[in-house]
Amino acid sequence: GAGVSQSPSNKVTEKGKDVELRCDPISGHTALYWYRQRLGQGLEFLIYFQGNSAPDKSGLPSDRFSAERTGESVSTLTIQRTQQEDSAVYLCASSLEGQSMGAFFGQGTRLTVV
Amino acid sequence: TQLLEQSPQFLSIQEGENLTVYCNSSSVFSSLQWYRQEPGEGPVLLVTVVTGGEVKKLKRLTFQFGDARKDSSLHITAAQPGDTGLYLCAGRNSGNTPLVFGKGTRLSVIA
Repeated sequence: GAGVSQSPSNKVTEKGKDVELRCDPISGHTALYWYRQRLGQGLEFLIYFQGNSAPDKSGLPSDRFSAERTGESVSTLTIQRTQQEDSAVYLCASSLEGQSMGAFFGQGTRLTVV
Repeated sequence: TQLLEQSPQFLSIQEGENLTVYCNSSSVFSSLQWYRQEPGEGPVLLVTVVTGGEVKKLKRLTFQFGDARKDSSLHITAAQPGDTGLYLCAGRNSGNTPLVFGKGTRLSVIA
């Protein structure tokens, strides 16, 4: 596709359930980011994939959060045993390599834990 | 993680007024970007600045990167209701580090 695609766009889950969020980056983009955005807040960095390098997981808030990326393609963010405080919009972005490269964002997945 | 502080947090102005929002850090960034986000959408890149002291203009928007590459400002001239949104600054401290964001300035331009 032409842009970053995220699915599902909305997800409602019960507390304690596991959820999996998907991101399809722009073809050819070597860098991929996941961010969390709580209502009315800025973007909280979660994890960063860059080519074949080990991912930077320094932003993951707990061991319930994990992410994988298949080569330079699709990425999935998994949240195990969801809690109400996990409710937020999860945004994925991709970019070309290089410090001046802008990040292109998907529209996000709105996760609600009830 | 490098910390970016944005101010003001909220700004409400009348159409036609000028405004400046700020992005500050105690750390040096190799590059800094400004994004605008509208409700229900992901952020959209406005500009990237790389060189200390650099000034870039995008129509009514003027972006400046501080000489020491620790701060940046966004100035909007003659604001329009269409400028309403969340303005986010983001920076990297090297080419292979994650892009970290400030908490944003929420701008409302009233007609």
